[in-house]
Amino acid sequence: DVKVTQSSRYLVKRTGEKVFLECVQDMDHENMFWYRQDPGLGLRLIYFSYDVKMKEKGDIPEGYSVSREKKERFSLILESASTNQTSMYLCASTLGRNQETQYFGPGTRLLVL
Amino acid sequence: AQSVTQPDIHITVSEGASLELRCNYSYGATPYLFWYVQSPGQGLQLLLKYFSGDTLVQGIKGFEAEFKRSQSSFNLRKPSVHWSDAAEYFCVANSGGYQKVTFGTGTKLQVIP
Repeated sequence: DVKVTQSSRYLVKRTGEKVFLECVQDMDHENMFWYRQDPGLGLRLIYFSYDVKMKEKGDIPEGYSVSREKKERFSLILESASTNQTSMYLCASTLGRNQETQYFGPGTRLLVL
Repeated sequence: AQSVTQPDIHITVSEGASLELRCNYSYGATPYLFWYVQSPGQGLQLLLKYFSGDTLVQGIKGFEAEFKRSQSSFNLRKPSVHWSDAAEYFCVANSGGYQKVTFGTGTKLQVIP
């Protein structure tokens, strides 16, 4: 079974702090994704990566950056957290280029005060 | 523009009753179609998927979905709902490629005794 893990389930940060969200997958998947989930808006893609050191902007990249130094790990960085970044963050991975089935981590619920 | 519509934000059914969750998509060509389920506080888990072939797709936990090209629909069904089915359900379309995944806004299912 594919396993996608996220470093924290719950996180509380203050406005202006730098925040790191980590995601690790154990099945040698090529592609990794970061989404945020907000009520009534579904999931929105922030960034994705199709290879080590490669990244592409999704639909809502503003205020975020990412890092993929190793194939199994994809980090989401909030350079200066703001209250409007309070949300649920979900990491996902897929095996190949056509995406097909996405495997999701359990999510990190971030509260920015 | 590509879109996935789940017209029901919230559905309540009695345990043992049948269930149908609606999903309509708008894409240039028939996309790959998925249903995911998200239990409270958890990530998304794949229920079933349709790529081609038989238009009635069987999934896990007793769910099935029917693809109807003429109606651009991919509705999810279950003949008898269990209390453990209470969750949020997402219809997802993917026309291939990293940035062509579209999530519906989700339908939250409540199951009453």
